[in-house]
This record gives sequence, C-alpha cells and structure tokens, in this order.
Amino acid sequence: GAVVSQHPSRVICKSGTSVKIECRSLDFQATTMFWYRQFPKQSLMLMATSNEGSKATYEQGVEKDKFLINHASLTLSTLTVTSAHPEDSSFYICSAGQSTDTQYFGPGTRLTVL
Amino acid sequence: KQEVTQIPAALSVPEGENLVLNCSFTDSAIYNLQWFRQDPGKGLTSLLLIQSSQREQTSGRLNASLDKSSGRSTLYIAASQPGDSATYLCAVNNNDMRFGAGTRLTVKP
Repeated sequence: GAVVSQHPSRVICKSGTSVKIECRSLDFQATTMFWYRQFPKQSLMLMATSNEGSKATYEQGVEKDKFLINHASLTLSTLTVTSAHPEDSSFYICSAGQSTDTQYFGPGTRLTVL
Repeated sequence: KQEVTQIPAALSVPEGENLVLNCSFTDSAIYNLQWFRQDPGKGLTSLLLIQSSQREQTSGRLNASLDKSSGRSTLYIAASQPGDSATYLCAVNNNDMRFGAGTRLTVKP
C-alpha cells in the first residue's frame, strides 16, 4: 500500500527558532499534499493544501508567513514553522495522494516549543 | 463549508458490548468518508473507507455505513474489546478532508 513518512517524528525547540517538517510519499507520486495540526484533545484541523509546483492554499486563520509550505517535488512537501512559539506546540500530520479523493496519512510530528 | 459532527464525544462500555459511533456532515457532495482510529499521542490508523457510491464497508468486527443523502455515517463495533479503546475519528472528503472532533471510546475489562 501507499506509504507516507514524516520526519522528524518528534522535535523540541526553543521559542523563536524555526522548525522544518518533511512529508514524503515513499512509493507513489503525490500531486497534492495536505497539512493538518491537532492540539491536545482536539480534532485534526486542515492548515493548508499543497500542490506540486505551485503555492500552497491556506485555510482561514492560518498565517502563511509563519507556516511556510514548499512542495518542490512530487514526493516531498515541507512545512516550516518560523519563529516558533509555545502556542505552536502541536501534532502536525501530513497526507498525500495522487488525487484529492484518496489520501494517505503520515505518522505525524509532535512539536514542542519551550 | 463542510462541518463534521461526531456523537457521542465519549463512550465507556463493558467488554463484549456492541456499540455504534455516529458521524454527521453538512455537505453531501463527498468523494468518500473514512473512519480512523487514534491512540493517545499517536497518528492515525485508517479503519474503513467508504466511497460515495457505497452504502457500507466491513472489516472484521467493524462495519461502517454511509447515507449520503442524510449526511450520516455510523461505525458499528461488535463484541468490543479493551484493545478497542481509542479515539475514533470520522473524516469526510470533498476535495479536502474535514474531521470530526472524535469519539473517545473506553472498553472496560
């Protein structure tokens, strides 16, 4: 089956630093990738839709200058949390698919900002 | 904008009971609906995927139904076990996936 990986699985950083999270489709080419975040005891919320070779589409309330998304190839999308603050601490999950009707989820990245 | 609601928010049952989790959504123009399981601090495990043209899907003790016209799906778990304890998420896909808040299930031995 289709496999999506995320790296790192867990990251702890100091406030004010930037953190990059990678999402890779291992055995298929993903024209579309989605980024979600999940705060404790809450459901997943879509942050942005990433299409290969074009700018990401951000959901309302998600700052595009703070959460930089790059989808430079058909197998890799990156999410960079710039100038991270404690309130950015969350569980970030990506999904990838060859079309929007079937998405495969990565294992998630837990970000803790001290 | 698609809104997904899951009821109940939490459920506690004794081992062996059959149970039903509910999911409702506001926009019936969906590609598919998917049920996931999430253990504390972990990622998502896909349980069942129902395409918009399907009425139900079964996998082992799990059965998911879809009534697109009424915007409802149910996840039926037969003969529940303590290992079924987790949060169950319903996600609806119409060009992007929208998740419900989940049902936190506890199965007591």
